[in-house]
Amino acid sequence: TQLLEQSPQFLSIQEGENLTVYCNSSSVFSSLQWYRQEPGEGPVLLVTVVTGGEVKKLKRLTFQFGDARKDSSLHITAAQPGDTGLYLCAGDRDDKIIFGKGTRLHILP
Amino acid sequence: DSGVTQTPKHLITATGQRVTLRCSPRSGDLSVYWYQQSLDQGLQFLIHYYNGEERAKGNILERFSAQQFPDLHSELNLSSLELGDSALYFCASSPGLAGTDTQYFGPGTRLTVL
Repeated sequence: TQLLEQSPQFLSIQEGENLTVYCNSSSVFSSLQWYRQEPGEGPVLLVTVVTGGEVKKLKRLTFQFGDARKDSSLHITAAQPGDTGLYLCAGDRDDKIIFGKGTRLHILP
Repeated sequence: DSGVTQTPKHLITATGQRVTLRCSPRSGDLSVYWYQQSLDQGLQFLIHYYNGEERAKGNILERFSAQQFPDLHSELNLSSLELGDSALYFCASSPGLAGTDTQYFGPGTRLTVL
């Protein structure tokens, strides 16, 4: 079983639409990170959330850490083709970094 | 450019062979992490080194080993290769030990085992 479940696995939407992707776990994490990975490249960190209930904004991206620190969401407003990529969440547990399998997002122009 | 370099970029080899993947962390970073990424398993944590010492092990097979040298570069050795070892192998570096540290990923080594 995957410790961090991401949903949906795939999402294809039109430019300008809003979307939310989720990262869920039955375990508590001291922090969660979101990365974006483009084809042929390594993941790039977008944000780290540490406090339960924390909300962080990065331009059109809004990240939320659940109150119980077991889940997180990423909301994108007015999606653009440049947002296309694989979005990964990752948590630190017992000094091991656990990644979800990711949400593959495709924004259609 | 993350500042992390990995060589080689591509590697094609046969089953049963042994290969070595190399990673140079960002200047000043003491932590090096290795990951394996495949389509079905996603990004899997293999091992973490900090300042030359092993800190944590993930889903690393016994056929795989790694080390971090005094100059902080790291090598991942894969032996008795199987078809299922074909994957992208990433290393990442970070300044210290904190789980909240930013990990900077290299461009990866694509390993194909035939």
